[in-house]
Amino acid sequence: KAGVTQTPRYLIKTRGQQVTLSCSPISGHRSVSWYQQTPGQGLQFLFEYFSETQRNKGNFPGRFSGRQFSNSRSEMNVSTLELGDSALYLCASSPGALYNEQFFGPGTRLTVL
Amino acid sequence: GIQVEQSPPDLILQEGANSTLRCNFSDSVNNLQWFHQNPWGQLINLFYIPSGTKQNGRLSATTVATERYSLLYISSSQTTDSGVYFCAVWGNAGKSTFGDGTTLTVKP
Repeated sequence: KAGVTQTPRYLIKTRGQQVTLSCSPISGHRSVSWYQQTPGQGLQFLFEYFSETQRNKGNFPGRFSGRQFSNSRSEMNVSTLELGDSALYLCASSPGALYNEQFFGPGTRLTVL
Repeated sequence: GIQVEQSPPDLILQEGANSTLRCNFSDSVNNLQWFHQNPWGQLINLFYIPSGTKQNGRLSATTVATERYSLLYISSSQTTDSGVYFCAVWGNAGKSTFGDGTTLTVKP
C-alpha cells in the first residue's frame, strides 16, 4: 500500500499571501489530521477530518482552515500568511475510528518571507 | 488539555549501549504512540501502545496507563537510531498532544 502523500514538499511564500497544502491518505483510510511543527512550539494538532466533516480542532486562529473531499483527500489553507507560519506541516491518516493508529506523511515545509 | 513530558530531553550514547526513554502524561489516554522523526522530518511509527508491552526487534515499549507513563527501550544502539523520538497521546476529546521529544545521538 502506498503511504500518505503530501504536496508540495517545499513552498516559499511572502507575508499576506495564502497557501493551500494537499494530503492524500493511505488507501481505505477515512480520517486525516493536520499538524504544525515549529522549533519554538513543537508539534501541534491543527484539525482532523473524517467523512468530509471536521471532527476535532486544535487551538489555531481562523486563518487556518481545511476540508476533506469524498475520496478522503484533504487540503488545508492558511490565509494572510505571517512570518510565524513558517513550519513543517504534517498530515496523518488513520482508518477512521477515533483512536486508531495514525500514519504520517513526509510533510510540507513552508517558508514565509 | 493533557500535558506530556518526555525525558531525558537529550541522550548521547556509544554504539551498542542500551537506553530508556520516558513519557509521562497528566490524564487518562485512549491512544499512545511512539515515533522516530528522521532527518527529513518524517515521523516513523514505532509503537501504537495505549497499554501493555510490545516488542519489535531491538525496540520495545511499555505503557502503564494507570500510572500515566510509557517507556521506550532501545537495546544495542546503532548510529542509525539517532534522531528525535516523540511520544504522542490522545485523550477523551480525541485531540492529540505531543511531547517535546528526546534527541538521541549514537556515536560510533
